[in-house]
Amino acid sequence: EAQVTQNPRYLITVTGKKLTVTCSQNMNHEYMSWYRQDPGLGLRQIYYSMNVEVTDKGDVPEGYKVSRKEKRNFPLILESPSPNQTSLYFCASSPSRFPSSNQPQHFGDGTRLSIL
Amino acid sequence: AQSVTQPDIHITVSEGASLELRCNYSYGATPYLFWYVQSPGQGLQLLLKYFSGDTLVQGIKGFEAEFKRSQSSFNLRKPSVHWSDAAEYFCAVVNYNQGGKLIFGQGTELSVKP
Repeated sequence: EAQVTQNPRYLITVTGKKLTVTCSQNMNHEYMSWYRQDPGLGLRQIYYSMNVEVTDKGDVPEGYKVSRKEKRNFPLILESPSPNQTSLYFCASSPSRFPSSNQPQHFGDGTRLSIL
Repeated sequence: AQSVTQPDIHITVSEGASLELRCNYSYGATPYLFWYVQSPGQGLQLLLKYFSGDTLVQGIKGFEAEFKRSQSSFNLRKPSVHWSDAAEYFCAVVNYNQGGKLIFGQGTELSVKP
């Protein structure tokens, strides 16, 4: 089954404790991205990657890092989490940077992070 | 700048009633538009998409949307709402000039009364 898998689904942690949210897709997609969802703001892109070792900033990259060492994995790293990073995070993938009529972006089920 | 606006934050309809969720976009070129639904605790599921051609697009779960270039709108409709349609709905446009980013509206939360 084609899917985007995020882990963990839920995490409560404290300010300053480094954490990583993993994202893995089994569709051999080149394009992957991270979004955060906040009430009243919809989803905003954090980082994206067009292929292995190719990453770029989205709209709200501050406080986040990513890496793309393998095609299937695109982890989101919070080196020193702060309470304003409390949010619902989604990973997405698509075959290329250009979602097409037959190949839209696939989303994971989300990771809810609470930073105390 | 490209943007998507969903004017209604929260809508309540009675089960069996018709539904229309509004979406307005601002985009210089031909927009590629999407509607996603997010059920509580779930990820985003694609309802339908518009890329070109017929401006009335059919999607899953009985939803449809109409692209109106003159009004910069892509409203989502359903003739008869079911209780299971209660969810949050997001309209989005893809920005090919910025790495294929999806630009989302703020979302509309739909409640369904019995």
